[in-house]
Amino acid sequence: AQTVTQSQPEMSVQEAETVTLSCTYDTSESDYYLFWYKQPPSRQMILVIRQEAYKQQNATENRFSVNFQKAAKSFSLKISDSQLGDAAMYFCAYNNNDMRFGAGTRLTVKP
Amino acid sequence: DAGVIQSPRHEVTEMGQEVTLRCKPISGHNSLFWYRQTMMRGLELLIYFNNNVPIDDSGMPEDRFSAKMPNASFSTLKIQPSEPRDSAVYFCASSFELPYEQYFGPGTRLTVT
Repeated sequence: AQTVTQSQPEMSVQEAETVTLSCTYDTSESDYYLFWYKQPPSRQMILVIRQEAYKQQNATENRFSVNFQKAAKSFSLKISDSQLGDAAMYFCAYNNNDMRFGAGTRLTVKP
Repeated sequence: DAGVIQSPRHEVTEMGQEVTLRCKPISGHNSLFWYRQTMMRGLELLIYFNNNVPIDDSGMPEDRFSAKMPNASFSTLKIQPSEPRDSAVYFCASSFELPYEQYFGPGTRLTVT
């Protein structure tokens, strides 16, 4: 079974600084999708960014970008110019017709 | 687009009562998912449908849980009888196709006393 591991239960970043959240996954498949979701205190699950495994180019969405290392099965999220509103739980997810989520990383942003 | 709609947003019930959670997926999406989130167990996939057909219900905790999708725009998750350990936030999500990104509803916070 595919597993997703987020090794950082909590992270902290200073406002305007950059932070990287780690994620690794285990799979024997070659074609799949990876996602990062954000869950603020409102508990709404919000899609932050997606990456298709067949694409070598790392996905970016404004201040959010990923470092996708397929051979290493690593999918980290970089948040640049951190803002107070970025404070939330961040979940990494793997999908190959069967979405699996990591345990999450709680990000705190210090003013 | 209205997004995924869930009702009710909050539900408080007594042990032994029947609970029904409702979900309307995004129009045009053919896959629907039910999740449960707790502090202890995190986000768990309970069941998912593709084209209104249940594909995998291996995450359903026990026979007290059942889910239906009578048409492309409506699904229910029923717990009968409910127990205090069922207290959690239940999310419904939908996607255009199974491997694609899922869009989540706001969740239903269930409290069973």
